Amino acid sequence: KQEVTQIPAALSVPEGENLVLNCSFTDSAIYNLQWFRQDPGKGLTSLLLIQSSQREQTSGRLNASLDKSSGRSTLYIAASQPGDSATYLCAVRNNTDKLIFGTGTRLQVFP
Amino acid sequence: GAGVSQSPSNKVTEKGKDVELRCDPISGHTALYWYRQSLGQGLEFLIYFQGNSAPDKSGLPSDRFSAERTGGSVSTLTIQRTQQEDSAVYLCASSQDRRETQYFGPGTRLLVL
Repeated sequence: KQEVTQIPAALSVPEGENLVLNCSFTDSAIYNLQWFRQDPGKGLTSLLLIQSSQREQTSGRLNASLDKSSGRSTLYIAASQPGDSATYLCAVRNNTDKLIFGTGTRLQVFP
Repeated sequence: GAGVSQSPSNKVTEKGKDVELRCDPISGHTALYWYRQSLGQGLEFLIYFQGNSAPDKSGLPSDRFSAERTGGSVSTLTIQRTQQEDSAVYLCASSQDRRETQYFGPGTRLLVL
């Protein structure tokens, strides 16, 4: 059974810092991995999707890497801003059509 | 273009009543998913549609939960005889193809008193 873990559970940093969020999964036979952000009381916003054959994806200040063999992904946020404050979720898809979500990292960036 | 929409945004009901939650996916998206996010819990998968058929219903918690999709578009999640433990945010997502990026709606917040 696929299990997804995210560390840390919560993170509070000053504006401008570069930071790394971690995601690990127990079954390396994934099809792809997706990172989302969720703002309080809102739905999920897709940030990056990494296919199993890819090593990383970049979008603006965000970079996500995938090491499938070790069951790990990281989300790197450069030059963090208060607007980055949200809960960040990673989700993996095995050879099925549903996403298995981690429990999230709650990020607060203060001015 | 328009994203995934869900209605109602909030629903308060009494224990034992039936509720219907609606999802309008992005136009042209063939795959549609329902998830549930309970207080203090992670997101859990409920059901997946490809077109109008549901090849994976494995996440439905009990037979009080059912869902349908018509015309390859709108989907309705029905909860019969609601219980307090059904209180959660119900999220719908759609994707262009079953293995592409899933786009989520804002959710329906259900409170069962």
